[in-house]
Amino acid sequence: AQSVTQLDSQVPVFEEAPVELRCNYSSSVSVYLFWYVQYPNQGLQLLLKYLSGSTLVKGINGFEAEFNKSQTSFHLRKPSVHISDTAEYFCAVSGIQGAQKLVFGQGTRLTINP
Amino acid sequence: DTEVTQTPKHLVMGMTNKKSLKCEQHMGHRAMYWYKQKAKKPPELMFVYSYEKLSINESVPSRFSPECPNSSLLNLHLHALQPEDSALYLCASSPQGASATDTQYFGPGTRLTVL
Repeated sequence: AQSVTQLDSQVPVFEEAPVELRCNYSSSVSVYLFWYVQYPNQGLQLLLKYLSGSTLVKGINGFEAEFNKSQTSFHLRKPSVHISDTAEYFCAVSGIQGAQKLVFGQGTRLTINP
Repeated sequence: DTEVTQTPKHLVMGMTNKKSLKCEQHMGHRAMYWYKQKAKKPPELMFVYSYEKLSINESVPSRFSPECPNSSLLNLHLHALQPEDSALYLCASSPQGASATDTQYFGPGTRLTVL
């Protein structure tokens, strides 16, 4: 079984400042890792995913994440945030075998202040 | 067409009612999913259909009954629900039959209130 811990439930940041949203996972098997974003009153949208290869993954809207196997982490970063980045961010894992079963973390609410 | 649509947007029902949620995609995706999301919580997987066959049921109570009439359509039939079933119900689809590497595309959800 897999589990995901998002270490911060809320992160307030000023506009144009950098941000890091932290994610740690636990699994007895190899996993794929995902970051999804949920804007208010909307469904989820994929930001990026790590499947294999380079541990630095670039996604949409200027976000990137780094997979660290030894620390079982997959932190999300953006060098300069905008008001429009205000949303709930979910880290998720799925085992690499069988059908995809996403297990989500509890989410991090990113609030951008002007 | 690059979106997943869900109807209705909002639904209020009594505990003795029977209702259905509908999800549709026209992207040619071969897997479809139902999730339940309580307020300020992450989505929880309920069901997965792959190539129109039920492949995962996460021990969901029988008062929730999924149906996949064709590859573009997914229904969730509701009967004798409890107030604690009130939540946002999200539908998603993915291209490759629930492959572990797939990206899931989510609809906006149906907000269900059970009185």
